[in-house]
Amino acid sequence: QQQVKQSPQSLIVQKGGISIINCAYENTAFDYFPWYQQFPGKGPALLIAIRPDVSEKKEGRFTISFNKSAKQFSLHIMDSQPGDSATYFCAARRESNTGKLIFGQGTTLQVKP
Amino acid sequence: KAGVTQTPRYLIKTRGQQVTLSCSPISGHRSVSWYQQTPGQGLQFLFEYFSETQRNKGNFPGRFSGRQFSNSRSEMNVSTLELGDSALYLCASSLTGRVEAFFGQGTRLTVV
Repeated sequence: QQQVKQSPQSLIVQKGGISIINCAYENTAFDYFPWYQQFPGKGPALLIAIRPDVSEKKEGRFTISFNKSAKQFSLHIMDSQPGDSATYFCAARRESNTGKLIFGQGTTLQVKP
Repeated sequence: KAGVTQTPRYLIKTRGQQVTLSCSPISGHRSVSWYQQTPGQGLQFLFEYFSETQRNKGNFPGRFSGRQFSNSRSEMNVSTLELGDSALYLCASSLTGRVEAFFGQGTRLTVV
């Protein structure tokens, strides 16, 4: 009940295309879902996050879509750029368990020029 | 505002030794969490401290321990190091009452 499953493991997209990364969770007690971006040699950086009472959140080129009934959420990167090439992690947290993030396995995104 | 600072950035230790890693949270943040990142297991939660008290603990053996000081700085200690402890150890801090967690750059530990 603690798992977060992320797919695909790796993704190659052409510059200007849309990158889509999917995550599924099991524990219905999760109520905060962040996405992190990590470049080699760096720590994860918070990209965007959503609560389950919202179906979509957009920040610039990044959008989270959330489907509570399916227990799935996804990250869409519009107009993907070579600088977006990084590893992306979805995560989930229970507010009562503040501080403990359950991470997906990560998706390595390569955006080709 | 300075971000989360972890020291040292790199460490090489021998099996059986112990190691202490340090984390200074963002100013004003009182919650500090530690994670282990490996290629095989991904990012796994170790423990969380808030106001010098361990508030949460992951599924790691007792060789992994931590503490937090009154200034919110935190340390984690790994005793009797094993080859499998080689990993990137990440620290994240959060503001009280906020869920957003901000990570440091990590300490790369290599056990030989």
